[in-house]
Amino acid sequence: DAGITQSPRHKVTETGTPVTLRCHQTENHRYMYWYRQDPGHGLRLIHYSYGVKDTDKGEVSDGYSVSRSKTEDFLLTLESATSSQTSVYFCAIRSGERSSYEQYFGPGTRLTVT
Amino acid sequence: AQRVTQPEKLLSVFKGAPVELKCNYSYSGSPELFWYVQYSRQRLQLLLRHISRESIKGFTADLNKGETSFHLKKPFAQEEDSAMYYCASPAAGNKLTFGGGTRVLVKP
Repeated sequence: DAGITQSPRHKVTETGTPVTLRCHQTENHRYMYWYRQDPGHGLRLIHYSYGVKDTDKGEVSDGYSVSRSKTEDFLLTLESATSSQTSVYFCAIRSGERSSYEQYFGPGTRLTVT
Repeated sequence: AQRVTQPEKLLSVFKGAPVELKCNYSYSGSPELFWYVQYSRQRLQLLLRHISRESIKGFTADLNKGETSFHLKKPFAQEEDSAMYYCASPAAGNKLTFGGGTRVLVKP
């Protein structure tokens, strides 16, 4: 599992509340990613990080922010959750092999916004 | 933007029958393509990468640069192959682009 954990694994929250999801890795990987998984859309990239304090937007970044203050943790924040953000969120790391794009995934967080 | 297309959302086959999952990509560079599998409510796992040219769990995938395809095949499907399968291609900026996924259902 490449030492990737996510917390919480399940969360139910109300519309308008802030939510922070955490991704933790133990193998010092430089690149980390946040995806959301929705039926019919597959996996879509929200944000990614290429180092401490270095982040960039993905294809569906509106309504989300991220922070990476240390190598092992990549946080995804929904500033004001909406029902359209009900989804399964996966964190991933890029493997350390030179020039390989291969990614390994965390177990996912199932978020329900009511 | 890079695109990965998996035209079938659902493939239903009987146990022992062949199964082929289609994937077409648009990446213009030297592609490093992947197939990921996700069993029910689990994390995505790497199934195959074309560079290694290996067969995992009886699955193989052939890269066809002329047709920009990377179809996944298994000659004899098993019930434990029932899962969601995603094809992935590199995208600019050290990212992967994923297809929409194909759900495989293997019936007994």
